[in-house]
Amino acid sequence: EVQLVESGGGLVKPGGSLRLSCAASGFTFSSYDMNWVRQAPGKGLEWVASISRSSSYIYYADSVKGRSTISRDNGKNSLYLQMNSLRVEDTAVYYCARDSGVVAATLFDPWGQGTLVTVSS
Amino acid sequence: EIVMTQSPATLSVSPGERATLSCRASQSVSSNLAWYQQKPGQAPRLLMYGAFTRATGFPARFSGSGSGTEFTLTISSLQSEDFAVYYCQQYNDWPWTFGQGTKVEIK
Repeated sequence: EVQLVESGGGLVKPGGSLRLSCAASGFTFSSYDMNWVRQAPGKGLEWVASISRSSSYIYYADSVKGRSTISRDNGKNSLYLQMNSLRVEDTAVYYCARDSGVVAATLFDPWGQGTLVTVSS
Repeated sequence: EIVMTQSPATLSVSPGERATLSCRASQSVSSNLAWYQQKPGQAPRLLMYGAFTRATGFPARFSGSGSGTEFTLTISSLQSEDFAVYYCQQYNDWPWTFGQGTKVEIK
């Protein structure tokens, strides 16, 4: 069974930093692109960042570009998101999502259960 | 960036009735359109992609149509487990963008 388990969320002050982790199991992690998608409380979904299988290609949403770094460790079957200079508007549940594997399509499937990041003074 | 607009924001439907959800793109996304279902307290699940291809585990009462800028998700006969929020997502152009969601609630 494919499992994605996020961790690392919590309460942080504006300007602070957090490192989110996603532990993957049940599939060959190194064979899939991976993504972070977030959802502010009561709001819709926002794609945050993507990383290719070998980390050759990395993309960020403008909203986090320059403040966040996505990375992965294929030996540890883990995905990471380092977030710096956090803002109140970064408050959200952050989901780790695998690429679906459908050719030539960036689809998010499956998703982890999410980890809540709250940025507040 | 491509803006995705969903309507209505909330759809009140009785069990057994048909639900029709709309998603509009600010520019053509060809057929590169996906739908996700999210139930309260749960992560989203991929429901449909390529505008009309159902993902694994979803029954035939879910159907999708459209291309270019106008798309529709139809649930032919709503079951209790279908009451959820549905999001569309375009994957034609980076950055990948979602609509704001349509909540399907019990009437």
